[in-house]
Amino acid sequence: GQQLNQSPQSMFIQEGEDVSMNCTSSSIFNTWLWYKQDPGEGPVLLIALYKAGELTSNGRLTAQFGITRKDSFLNISASIPSDVGIYFCAGAGGRHTGKLIFGQGTTLQVKP
Amino acid sequence: NAGVTQTPKFRILKIGQSMTLQCAQDMNHNYMYWYRQDPGMGLKLIYYSVGAGITDKGEVPNGYNVSRSTTEDFPLRLELAAPSQTSVYFCASSQGTGEGEQYFGPGTRLTVT
Repeated sequence: GQQLNQSPQSMFIQEGEDVSMNCTSSSIFNTWLWYKQDPGEGPVLLIALYKAGELTSNGRLTAQFGITRKDSFLNISASIPSDVGIYFCAGAGGRHTGKLIFGQGTTLQVKP
Repeated sequence: NAGVTQTPKFRILKIGQSMTLQCAQDMNHNYMYWYRQDPGMGLKLIYYSVGAGITDKGEVPNGYNVSRSTTEDFPLRLELAAPSQTSVYFCASSQGTGEGEQYFGPGTRLTVT
């Protein structure tokens, strides 16, 4: 079945640093999504990407849909303590089922 | 607008017991989904529904059942609880096209002992 490889698995950074994480797949996706999950909560949608090559920002977050449609990355600039959490990428293959394939997650810790 | 709501938030079951996890959404979304999340893992799709009266299996459906009698509600049934079903369960919904942008509930943490 389809799988997503998300890296890195975890990051421990200093407040103010920039962060980069990415997802790769052996399959083509029509949609890439990035979610953040706080402890004890459900995932919250950060950015949705629908077109190959698309670059989209949401505040300090920037995500790109890879040209090959098999990868995506998320950057966080000038990290702050509330950025702590687990970040998931997800890909949708279409066919109007809305089914998403999720990466394993990147756990981000920010040291004040 | 409450979004996606789930009850209960926590539950402990004994092996062999049954229970229903409730999920409701007030966004008039056609598509609804059930996932489980195990520690350190991503989300695995259990069942999904593209509309009232229509359900289909996801990646890990064994041991679970669902029904979708209304647009708003999508309950998940565990008939004979097993320790392997200890997990956090999330319900999600999305708009009619179903192309991504799923919105998640707060989750139900289930322990089977």
